[in-house]
Amino acid sequence: DIQMTQSPSSLSASVGDRVTISCRASQSISSYLNWYQQKPGKAPKVLIYTASSLQSGVPSRFSGSGSGTDFTLTINILQPEDFATYYCQQSYTAPLTFGPGTIVDI
Amino acid sequence: EVQLLESGGGLVQPGGSLRLSCAASGFTFSSYAMSWVRQAPGKGLEWVSVISGSGATTYSADSVKGRFTFSRDNSKNTLYLQMNSLRAEDTAVYYCAKAQGSGSVYYGMDVWGQGTTVTVSS
Repeated sequence: DIQMTQSPSSLSASVGDRVTISCRASQSISSYLNWYQQKPGKAPKVLIYTASSLQSGVPSRFSGSGSGTDFTLTINILQPEDFATYYCQQSYTAPLTFGPGTIVDI
Repeated sequence: EVQLLESGGGLVQPGGSLRLSCAASGFTFSSYAMSWVRQAPGKGLEWVSVISGSGATTYSADSVKGRFTFSRDNSKNTLYLQMNSLRAEDTAVYYCAKAQGSGSVYYGMDVWGQGTTVTVSS
C-alpha cells in the first residue's frame, strides 16, 4: 500500500500569510494527488485534483504542484475562512490513502 | 443539484451488524465510481472502499476486508455499505463520496454526503 505523509502536522498563521503544506507518497503516484479541506463538523471539500488542477469554484489563492512523490499545497493571502484541516489523498491505486492531515489555525 | 444523503447509522454492540445507505441524486449514478470514507472521533480521514459504476469491481482497506461488503443498486441510485463483525475501532462518521471523473477515480472525490455516525459500544 502507498503511505502518505504530510508536513507540518499543524501550523499557526495569520490572515494574509502565504502557507505551504507538503505531502509525500511512499512511491511514485505520478500526478494522482488530490487536496481536500475540511472544517469541523463538515464533510471534506476537494480543492485541487491531479496535483495542480483547481477545482471549479475554489478560489485561485489555492494552488498545487508536484509529481512523483513530492507535492505541495500553497495558499496565498490566507483568508479567515481558510482556517481548517487539509488532507492529501493519492488516487493512483487502491487503497486510495489519505495523508494524516495538516491543521491550519490562527 | 448533485446530492448524496447517507442514512443507517446508529449505536450497535461489538460483533453486531449495520447497513448504511447513500442515496444519490442530480447525476447519472451508474456512470461514477463511489467511495466510502470514514473519520473516527478526533481523527483524520480513512478511505474505506471504492466501487465501480457498474458495481462489478470493488476495492477496500485492509482494516475492513472480510467484514464489510460494498454494493450499489443503480436502478435505485443508492450505494450500500454492509458492516458485520463491528468493532469499537469502527466507530466513526461514515461519508459516501462521488468520484469526479466518469469511470475513473483519478480525479478525486467532488461530491460528499453529510455523513452518518456509527458508534460501536456495549
